[in-house]
Amino acid sequence: GENVEQHPSTLSVQEGDSAVIKCTYSDSASNYFPWYKQELGKRPQLIIDIRSNVGEKKDQRIAVTLNKTAKHFSLHITETQPEDSAVYFCAASSNYQLIWGAGTKLIIKP
Amino acid sequence: EAGVAQSPRYKIIEKRQSVAFWCNPISGHATLYWYQQILGQGPKLLIQFQNNGVVDDSQLPKDRFSAERLKGVDSTLKIQPAKLEDSAVYLCASSFRPGGQETQYFGPGTRLLVL
Repeated sequence: GENVEQHPSTLSVQEGDSAVIKCTYSDSASNYFPWYKQELGKRPQLIIDIRSNVGEKKDQRIAVTLNKTAKHFSLHITETQPEDSAVYFCAASSNYQLIWGAGTKLIIKP
Repeated sequence: EAGVAQSPRYKIIEKRQSVAFWCNPISGHATLYWYQQILGQGPKLLIQFQNNGVVDDSQLPKDRFSAERLKGVDSTLKIQPAKLEDSAVYLCASSFRPGGQETQYFGPGTRLLVL
């Protein structure tokens, strides 16, 4: 079955700097890769997703890249702001199920 | 558009007691998911419904957990009897289509503490 690994588990960056979170997956049939943001005590919310027919997708300060050959995908956040502090989860979908990574706690230092 | 509703928001019970959670998905969403999220971990899928049928319940501890979605809308998740390790947030989510390949909208969750 699918397995998703996410790194790092904690990431601390200076406000204004960029943050990169990486995930790898095992099932080459996976074709949908969403990223969810979960603020403390709140529900996960989708921030961006990418499908396997696309290599990169951008939405303002957030971008996701996908390397199908290497089976990894990454979340890039530029010009980080205090409100970016949260736990970020990657996931990969094959067949009908989403398999989630363990999460990355992003800390934005003032 | 109303979001996914869940109740109760918090529940404290003693081990060996039973507990039930309720979820009302977004109107028109055919797929409903129940997740267990233990503190510091990612969501773990317990069961996935497509309308009123079960798509996947491979990670549901069936000796103590049960779930139903009788009319293809609301769903209930039950734990009987509860164990200490069941302490977690139980998240319900829904999506318009099946397949796990589109946005899942989450409810606020039910925070369960088993003493």
